[in-house]
Amino acid sequence: NAGVTQTPKFQVLKTGQSMTLQCAQDMNHEYMSWYRQDPGMGLRLIHYSVGAGITDQGEVPNGYNVSRSTTEDFPLRLLSAAPSQTSVYFCASSYFTQGNEQYFGPGTRLTVT
Amino acid sequence: ELKVEQNPLFLSMQEGKNYTIYCNYSTTSDRLYWYRQDPGKSLESLFVLLSNGAVKQEGRLMASLDTKARLSTLHITAAVHDLSATYFCAVDGAQGGSEKLVFGKGTKLTVNP
Repeated sequence: NAGVTQTPKFQVLKTGQSMTLQCAQDMNHEYMSWYRQDPGMGLRLIHYSVGAGITDQGEVPNGYNVSRSTTEDFPLRLLSAAPSQTSVYFCASSYFTQGNEQYFGPGTRLTVT
Repeated sequence: ELKVEQNPLFLSMQEGKNYTIYCNYSTTSDRLYWYRQDPGKSLESLFVLLSNGAVKQEGRLMASLDTKARLSTLHITAAVHDLSATYFCAVDGAQGGSEKLVFGKGTKLTVNP
């Protein structure tokens, strides 16, 4: 199993550009989520999905869109990048039952200039 | 709104010493997770605590959960340099499956020779 994979690993965008961060998992997990990690802030939930076709907002959803057309993939779209979106983004997945820890991808470091 | 507080945020300790990291949370939950993050890396699951009084141990680390006090502790016994990392607790305040984990800001542990 590859686990949770994310691409790209690094990305630099100019303000106003759009892009999609890719996330895929091969563990047949129902639950997938996106977090951002900023210095001194821990991880904050952006969006999550409990299955294909179902998504919901987390703590900091503004400026981001998601979709879940398959169990395996959960892309995160930045519609119009802003410097405040400079962060490290982690995708995670787990089985959707109580007490299952989330498996995290390697992260994408995004810089918006 | 669920809030999770960790303390201390920074911990510098000598090899061989013992110490405890505290994780307090603000609303009822009986699902708490501990993760480790090495610099520039992703998060690795350490412990899953699912009930009041739960205690889990792995090597020099032991985690416990007191749901009545809304407190979890991560105890480090006879610290070694390899334990240097940032440790996060995360609390699941949702009903049902793993949704909307709220993370503490992390405790950066440095173990000095």
